[in-house]
Amino acid sequence: RKEVEQDPGPFNVPEGATVAFNCTYSNSASQSFFWYRQDCRKEPKLLMSVYSSGNEDGRFTAQLNRASQYISLLIRDSKLSDSATYLCVVNSGYALNFGKGTSLLVTP
Amino acid sequence: NAGVTQTPKFRILKIGQSMTLQCTQDMNHNYMYWYRQDPGMGLKLIYYSVGAGITDKGEVPNGYNVSRSTTEDFPLRLELAAPSQTSVYFCASESQGNQPQHFGDGTRLSIL
Repeated sequence: RKEVEQDPGPFNVPEGATVAFNCTYSNSASQSFFWYRQDCRKEPKLLMSVYSSGNEDGRFTAQLNRASQYISLLIRDSKLSDSATYLCVVNSGYALNFGKGTSLLVTP
Repeated sequence: NAGVTQTPKFRILKIGQSMTLQCTQDMNHNYMYWYRQDPGMGLKLIYYSVGAGITDKGEVPNGYNVSRSTTEDFPLRLELAAPSQTSVYFCASESQGNQPQHFGDGTRLSIL
């Protein structure tokens, strides 16, 4: 079983749509969780950390369910500029484990 | 504030050649990492370091070596380049454990 598994995608949505990404992780001892964004041929950039109580940053909401080892990212009112690959990332002791990413394309 | 700087940005090598990918950070971070990312795949950890003088293997260390003589620098060495090492290489740094990582722009390496 892979450390971090994500929706395979791709997700094609119209502008203004709400889209949700899911992620599961295998290591129950994981301590920290993140969503990163990666644009084509660019480096990953931190989108937001994920906290147990859930957290929101503008149009983005992240949720963590430790019991189910499940992480989600909700994007509301999608913009064209949200088109990218979204990486679910879990700390597993000495380093981060990255999911393969879910591709999002927001269309006019 | 430059953050994490990687050089070169692009390189083409012949099979069997060697080279060093440079990575430096100016944030005084203790933790540094090297990843590779193949097309359509996630990032895989090659080597990491938790401080000057300390390095350890990640998931895919074969064919690579690293050193960490200073806090700022974490070079990655390829001794005998092979086509399977064609990839995009990212260096990252982190202030301490369980924190987000900051990435460099990447080095795109092709081995022919």
